[in-house]
Amino acid sequence: RKEVEQDPGPFNVPEGATVAFNCTYSNSASQSFFWYRQDCRKEPKLLMSVYSSGNEDGRFTAQLNRASQYISLLIRDSKLSDSATYLCVVNTDKLIFGTGTRLQVFP
Amino acid sequence: GAGVSQSPSNKVTEKGKDVELRCDPISGHTALYWYRQSLGQGLEFLIYFQGNSAPDKSGLPSDRFSAERTGGSVSTLTIQRTQQEDSAVYLCASSRPGTGFYNEQFFGPGTRLTVL
Repeated sequence: RKEVEQDPGPFNVPEGATVAFNCTYSNSASQSFFWYRQDCRKEPKLLMSVYSSGNEDGRFTAQLNRASQYISLLIRDSKLSDSATYLCVVNTDKLIFGTGTRLQVFP
Repeated sequence: GAGVSQSPSNKVTEKGKDVELRCDPISGHTALYWYRQSLGQGLEFLIYFQGNSAPDKSGLPSDRFSAERTGGSVSTLTIQRTQQEDSAVYLCASSRPGTGFYNEQFFGPGTRLTVL
């Protein structure tokens, strides 16, 4: 089993839609969690950290369920500029990246 | 301030040749990672340096791959006797140490390696 698993997608959604990505991790000792965004042919960049109580940053909401070892990212009111690959990242003794979920927002 | 830099940005080599890829992390970042990303694929962890500790080499795909980090700063990833399947973008990232939320990874722009 991979340490971090994500649905690869692609998710094709119209502008204005709400879309959710899920991620599961295998190591219960994992201590911190992140979502990164990677645009085509670019390097990954931090989108947001994922706190135990859940956190929101504008149209983006991240949730963590430690009992189920599950992380989610919700994007509301999707924009064309949200089109990218979203990488789930789990930190145990080092950062481990999921393979990413590709999102394509269309007009 | 300066981010993570990598050189060269592109490298084309012939099968069987050795290549060296360089990474300059952000000053003060003691953690340094190398990843490989093939076209349309996710990030594949290669190796992790943390301060003066022994590196975590668990992701290196074969003994043709090696990396070193001199003086806790610049790192070089060496691939010997390159094969066509080594073609990929090699990404370097640095961060502060630890497992907290403050140790965001900052990535360099990558080196695109093509083995003919």
